Amino acid sequence: QVQLVESGGGVVQPGRSLRLSCAASGFTFSNYGLHWVRQAPGKGLEWVALISYDGSYKYYADSVKGRFTISRDNSKNTLYLQMNSLRAEDTAVYYCAKDYGSGSGWPHSSYFDLWGRGTLVTVSS
Amino acid sequence: EIVLTQSPDFQSVTPKEKVTITCRASQSIGSSLHWYQQKPDQSPKLLIKYASQSISGVPSRFSGSGSGTDFTLTINSLEAEDAAAYYCHQSSSLPITFGQGTRLEIK
Repeated sequence: QVQLVESGGGVVQPGRSLRLSCAASGFTFSNYGLHWVRQAPGKGLEWVALISYDGSYKYYADSVKGRFTISRDNSKNTLYLQMNSLRAEDTAVYYCAKDYGSGSGWPHSSYFDLWGRGTLVTVSS
Repeated sequence: EIVLTQSPDFQSVTPKEKVTITCRASQSIGSSLHWYQQKPDQSPKLLIKYASQSISGVPSRFSGSGSGTDFTLTINSLEAEDAAAYYCHQSSSLPITFGQGTRLEIK
């Protein structure tokens, strides 16, 4: 079954850290670029980060640059998002999404043809 | 950063009506524009890729057009199940951006 399944969300205090995971199945994980996209409660979609098929290229939204780190383990078919120095405005459902392309070479992205169901991160004291 | 502006933000429509949602880019993006549908409590689903290319399994009443800076998603003969939020997304350059979304309510 072709799917992405996120985990690791929860309630965390401001300034603390959290690591999200996204487990993939049903396709050749190591061939594709992957993204994290978030959605604050009642709001629209906000792209967070991109990683190329082999992990050699990464790009971040300004809102998370320097605080979040995207990574992947192709031997485990898993994508990660390490989130440090969390803020209230990071509260959102975090989705992982599969890119149609490899994520290498300009423009490093295409359309998102597979999405997970999301994991909720709540940053609150 | 390329800004995508959708209109309208919200529309209340009746079944069988024809709906048009527009997405305007702040600079030319060629045809690197994609459309997604998000129903309540669900993840987004790809509807149209590269401005006008159809997606297998998506009903034929959904179509897209446009290039450069102006794009349109058209839903012909709206059905009740089309109640959702619709987002455009550009992959022309990083950072990736989405439109703010258009919410469709079925009367």
